[in-house]
Amino acid sequence: AQSVTQLGSHVSVSEGALVLLRCNYSSSVPPYLFWYVQYPNQGLQLLLKYTTGATLVKGINGFEAEFKKSETSFHLTKPSAHMSDAAEYFCAVSNAGGTSYGKLTFGQGTILTVHP
Amino acid sequence: ETGVTQSPTHLIKTRGQQVTLRCSSQSGHNTVSWYQQALGQGPQFIFQYYREEENGRGNFPPRFSGLQFPNYSSELNVNALELDDSALYLCASSSDRVLGNTEAFFGQGTRLTVV
Repeated sequence: AQSVTQLGSHVSVSEGALVLLRCNYSSSVPPYLFWYVQYPNQGLQLLLKYTTGATLVKGINGFEAEFKKSETSFHLTKPSAHMSDAAEYFCAVSNAGGTSYGKLTFGQGTILTVHP
Repeated sequence: ETGVTQSPTHLIKTRGQQVTLRCSSQSGHNTVSWYQQALGQGPQFIFQYYREEENGRGNFPPRFSGLQFPNYSSELNVNALELDDSALYLCASSSDRVLGNTEAFFGQGTRLTVV
């Protein structure tokens, strides 16, 4: 079984401030971890993913995330927020094996608001 | 633009009716997954199709069914619609079943309202 918990349904930051969106996961086998962004009335766009290897993953638009196995976390960060980052962000988990390798399990989402 | 096209974009149906949603996958992709995203929630996995065969199913009743065609496009059918079926339905296509090996590209979704 696999699950994702995103801490904080809403996060508000000022333009130029650090963005930190939290994600914890549960998986019975080694996970693949993903962050997606969703703009209003649109589908999901992949920001970054962790599969194996380097635990610090860099993605598009200046975002990065660090896989911490001991903490079962995969938090998303960006050093300096832009107005265009305002959107909803989803953390998701899939597995390399078992019965869930084709399935993404998503968290509830975090809405990021960026103030001028 | 992801190359994944869903139709229609919006749909209103009456409780008890049946609906068919369509997804055209990105060129070269042989895998299509369907997700239901209720308002204010994360997407929930419905099922995945790989080379015209169902390749995994989430916790959805049998009235949710699907099909994948030889060109890898796909349909999602929902029978006996209920009010709780109102949601955004997302289709994702990929070149591999194992999502760690590839990227799943999502369409813009079909917004289904059941009244």
